[in-house]
Amino acid sequence: DAKTTQPNSMESNEEEPVHLPCNHSTISGTDYIHWYRQLPSQGPEYVIHGLTSNVNNRMASLAIAEDRKSSTLILHRATLRDAAVYYCILSRSGAGSYQLTFGKGTKLSVIP
Amino acid sequence: KAGVTQTPRYLIKTRGQQVTLSCSPISGHRSVSWYQQTPGQGLQFLFEYFSETQRNKGNFPGRFSGRQFSNSRSEMNVSTLELGDSALYLCASSLAPGAVGEQYFGPGTRLTVT
Repeated sequence: DAKTTQPNSMESNEEEPVHLPCNHSTISGTDYIHWYRQLPSQGPEYVIHGLTSNVNNRMASLAIAEDRKSSTLILHRATLRDAAVYYCILSRSGAGSYQLTFGKGTKLSVIP
Repeated sequence: KAGVTQTPRYLIKTRGQQVTLSCSPISGHRSVSWYQQTPGQGLQFLFEYFSETQRNKGNFPGRFSGRQFSNSRSEMNVSTLELGDSALYLCASSLAPGAVGEQYFGPGTRLTVT
């Protein structure tokens, strides 16, 4: 399975943008890049996903490098509710099924 | 609409016993996946079910099994419990297997094996 590498932890001030990096140098052409986050005592929550082009949704933006070997999740204005562990995941679909392979994730702390 | 529900939320068992956990997916979702989360290993994929058939399986021993019913509800069973099985067990639902995008996770069942 393709692996992802993320920093163990990051800090951000409230209301400032946050850029969470992810390296996935062994990504294959059919792997999608997903981001999930897990708040304390909750199950993971979908944030965003993409294949090649940058993506935006109401929660965040996903910037994907041209060679697809890295990506960055962008939270435009961090709030205290964004404090969570953020997982960058590659998924490979095949035979009508796919699984998410979670790494260790980045623990984001938001400072008021 | 209602989210993914898991029962029970907390469970304490002793070594050697077996346990059954239940997951009800979001209405209309037909695919259910199970994950185990521990502090040491993080989130690990157990298996995925669709149309009452196991479509994908992670690297877990045969003591871990599951099934899915015609209403898409799913159960997982762990037999002969070991201390190392203590974990948060999460299920996630999606519209269909292989559908790239969102998987919706439940709150999990916290299993403690003593």
